[in-house]
Amino acid sequence: DTEVTQTPKHLVMGMTNKKSLKCEQHMGHRAMYWYKQKAKKPPELMFVYSYEKLSINESVPSRFSPECPNSSLLNLHLHALQPEDSALYLCASSQDPPRDVDRVEKLFFGSGTQLSVL
Amino acid sequence: GQQLNQSPQSMFIQEGEDVSMNCTSSSIFNTWLWYKQDPGEGPVLLIALYKAGELTSNGRLTAQFGITRKDSFLNISASIPSDVGIYFCAGLNQAGTALIFGKGTTLSVSS
Repeated sequence: DTEVTQTPKHLVMGMTNKKSLKCEQHMGHRAMYWYKQKAKKPPELMFVYSYEKLSINESVPSRFSPECPNSSLLNLHLHALQPEDSALYLCASSQDPPRDVDRVEKLFFGSGTQLSVL
Repeated sequence: GQQLNQSPQSMFIQEGEDVSMNCTSSSIFNTWLWYKQDPGEGPVLLIALYKAGELTSNGRLTAQFGITRKDSFLNISASIPSDVGIYFCAGLNQAGTALIFGKGTTLSVSS
């Protein structure tokens, strides 16, 4: 099983709503990531979890709140989002967290959640 | 900060043609990854390069890690319609904390 599964695939929410994005992997990977991708742009890193602990927060606004309940699951809680937050949200995992500049861990991505904020 | 510059930005080719795209940086990278992304899907890893000068193939795809460690290219031979998508190069940032992506090359193939 080399899959990273994300739900839902599409989400439309108002600016006052609270919603959550979910991500699951069963590859025994010890690092999980959230990326944000705008149309025709490259993915941009938001958060990195290493061994279920938040290790990197790329100055993401607090209206995005990540959570890692266990080693297989990663959530992204959304609250009071803005229309400019509309994007494809990608979850990824890797065997180990990035720690060695001489060797990049291969990231495996899910299909993403296409989020629209109205 | 570190940047990965991909070129060309987009390509329009006929089925059966060969394709070449590259990625350059002003900084040295120790690893290069090449991903392909279809519309509405996440990026899929194509090839990983770990040594300067390394040449690696995956079916019709061939990628090379430049000797200077500041560039990499990806070739696709005998293109087919399903090669359509956005191709990203990626490398580890200088802090060694995260993967950063180039701006992508959008490939269109007409049959």
